[in-house]
Amino acid sequence: DIQMTQSPSSLSASVGDRVTITCRASQSISTYFNWYQQKPGKTPKVLIYATSSLQSGVPSRFSGSGSGTDFTLTISSLQPEDFATYFCQQSYSIPHTFGQGTKLEIK
Amino acid sequence: EVQLVESGGGLVQPGGSLRLSCAASGFTFSSYDMNWVRQAPGKGLEWVSYISGGSGTIYYANSVKGRFTISRDNAKNSLYLQMNSLRAEDTAVYYCARGLREGWDWGQGTLVTVSS
Repeated sequence: DIQMTQSPSSLSASVGDRVTITCRASQSISTYFNWYQQKPGKTPKVLIYATSSLQSGVPSRFSGSGSGTDFTLTISSLQPEDFATYFCQQSYSIPHTFGQGTKLEIK
Repeated sequence: EVQLVESGGGLVQPGGSLRLSCAASGFTFSSYDMNWVRQAPGKGLEWVSYISGGSGTIYYANSVKGRFTISRDNAKNSLYLQMNSLRAEDTAVYYCARGLREGWDWGQGTLVTVSS
C-alpha cells in the first residue's frame, strides 16, 4: 500500500492568515491526489481533487498543487469556518490511503 | 443525488460480531468500487476494506484481515461488512464510501463500540 505522510499534525493560526499543509506519498502518484475537510461530527468533504481541481462550491481561497510525491494545500486567507481537520488521500492505486490529518485550530 | 446510508452499528462485547450494512441510491451501484473506512474517536481515517463493482477484487487492511468480510448485493444496492472477533481497538465510526478517483462520496457513518 502507498503510505501518505501529512504535516503538520496540528496547526494554530488566526483569521486572515495564509496556511499551508503538506502531504508526501511513499511513491509517485502522479496527480491522483485529493484533499478533504472534516468538521467535528461531520462526514469528510472533498475540497480538491486531482491535486488542484476545486470541488464545486468550495471557495477559491483553497488551492492545491504538487505532483509525483509532494503535495500542498494552501488556504490564502483563513476564515472562521475553515477551522477543521484536513486529510489528504492518494487515488493512484487501491487502496486509496489517507494521511493522518492536520487539525487547524484558532490561535 | 448520491446517498449512502449505513446501519447496524451498536455496542458489542469483545469477541462478538456485528454486520454493518450500507444502502446506496442515486447512482448505478454495480458500476462502482466501494469501501469501508473507520475513524476511532478523535483519530484519523483508516481504510478498512475495498470491493470492486462485480465483487471480483477484495482487499482488507492488515488490522482486520481474517476477522472482517466485505460483500455486496448489487441487486439490492447494498454493501456489507461482517465483523467477527471484535476488539476494543475496533471501536470507531464506520463509513461506507463510493471510491471515485475524483474524491469519495461518504455515508453519515455508524458507530461501533466494542466494550464489556
